[in-house]
Amino acid sequence: AQSVAQPEDQVNVAEGNPLTVKCTYSVSGNPYLFWYVQYPNRGLQFLLKYITGDNLVKGSYGFEAEFNKSQTSFHLKKPSALVSDSALYFCAVSRPSNRDDKIIFGKGTRLHILP
Amino acid sequence: NAGVTQTPKFQVLKTGQSMTLQCAQDMNHEYMSWYRQDPGMGLRLIHYSVGAGITDQGEVPNGYNVSRSTTEDFPLRLLSAAPSQTSVYFCASSPSGLAFSYEQYFGPGTRLTVT
Repeated sequence: AQSVAQPEDQVNVAEGNPLTVKCTYSVSGNPYLFWYVQYPNRGLQFLLKYITGDNLVKGSYGFEAEFNKSQTSFHLKKPSALVSDSALYFCAVSRPSNRDDKIIFGKGTRLHILP
Repeated sequence: NAGVTQTPKFQVLKTGQSMTLQCAQDMNHEYMSWYRQDPGMGLRLIHYSVGAGITDQGEVPNGYNVSRSTTEDFPLRLLSAAPSQTSVYFCASSPSGLAFSYEQYFGPGTRLTVT
């Protein structure tokens, strides 16, 4: 069975500093990995995904994520945080090649960017 | 395009009542899904559909029914509401392809309280 973990409930970063939101996964075979962001009282918005190829994936709003197969991680990063990046971030994993595997979301990490 | 729309935005039910949460999308997406979001639990998949006339269970299907008679609509029915079903419900859609291989587009959510 597949699983995904976001080990930090909350991350605080000063504006202008680099940020990292961590995600680790467990799945047999090749995973599809996603990051979504949720602003208050809104639905989730897609940021980026990894399927195959280059381990560094670039997405919306200046975010990027690095796929590390040996560490089974897919951490979300941004070189310089903005106050407007404050939101709830979700990592998700799926394995479309297996009909029995659905999509699993992490519990979410709340990102606070301090002015 | 309106994207994914959900009605109602808020609903209060008494235990034992039934209701239908509506979801519609205008992007001609084949895949549609229902999730519930609970504090500290992330998003959990309730039911999903790979096309009109085809539905399948997700991680937490008990107490919910779905049907998909058209590409556009994917209603979620609560048969006999229970306090454990108090949650925020999100509908999502994604383009055709392998299930859960594409990014999903989420609706704004329905906040349901069962007393």
